[in-house]
Amino acid sequence: KNEVEQSPQNLTAQEGEFITINCSYSVGISALHWLQQHPGGGIVSLFMLSSGKKKHGRLIATINIQEKHSSLHITASHPRDSAVYICAVFSYKYIFGTGTRLKVLA
Amino acid sequence: DAGVTQSPTHLIKTRGQQVTLRCSPKSGHDTVSWYQQALGQGPQFIFQYYEEEERQRGNFPDRFSGHQFPNYSSELNVNALLLGDSALYLCASSSPQTGSNYGYTFGSGTRLTVV
Repeated sequence: KNEVEQSPQNLTAQEGEFITINCSYSVGISALHWLQQHPGGGIVSLFMLSSGKKKHGRLIATINIQEKHSSLHITASHPRDSAVYICAVFSYKYIFGTGTRLKVLA
Repeated sequence: DAGVTQSPTHLIKTRGQQVTLRCSPKSGHDTVSWYQQALGQGPQFIFQYYEEEERQRGNFPDRFSGHQFPNYSSELNVNALLLGDSALYLCASSSPQTGSNYGYTFGSGTRLTVV
């Protein structure tokens, strides 16, 4: 079993839909990182959080340390949100989930 | 302020050859980590360099080696290339002061194809 599990693995949504991507982990961490990876490979950092909730534009990330679970929400989704979203937990190094491939249709 | 710079962006090598990938960290960062990302998978930790020394290492064979220079830039070397080494190689930088709070800054990667 992977130490970091993401769900769903693939997600197709219509423009405007509210999207939730989940991440569960089984190891002790100091922080959790949500990353966005576009075709071609470049990775962009979205959020790093160790407790509570963070919001940036249409993106919201939450984490529950006790339950070892985090969610990434996208409100009013847009085709430009199409990408792979990766959850990574951090102790002395990163452990990555396999990613959620999101496709938003116009 | 330049972020993390990796070179080359794409590379094709033949089985058995050796390859060197390069990474320049973000300004102000002194720690460099390397990751291998196979197609459709999440990145896997290779190793991390700090103060010109390998500080941690993932589950990769000795064919994978690295180096960090006094200017904090780093190289990843892979010897005796196998077809399975074909992947996107990502470099990420941080500093001890910012890593735990702001995470790492990732480069765009080097896509290595072994034929």
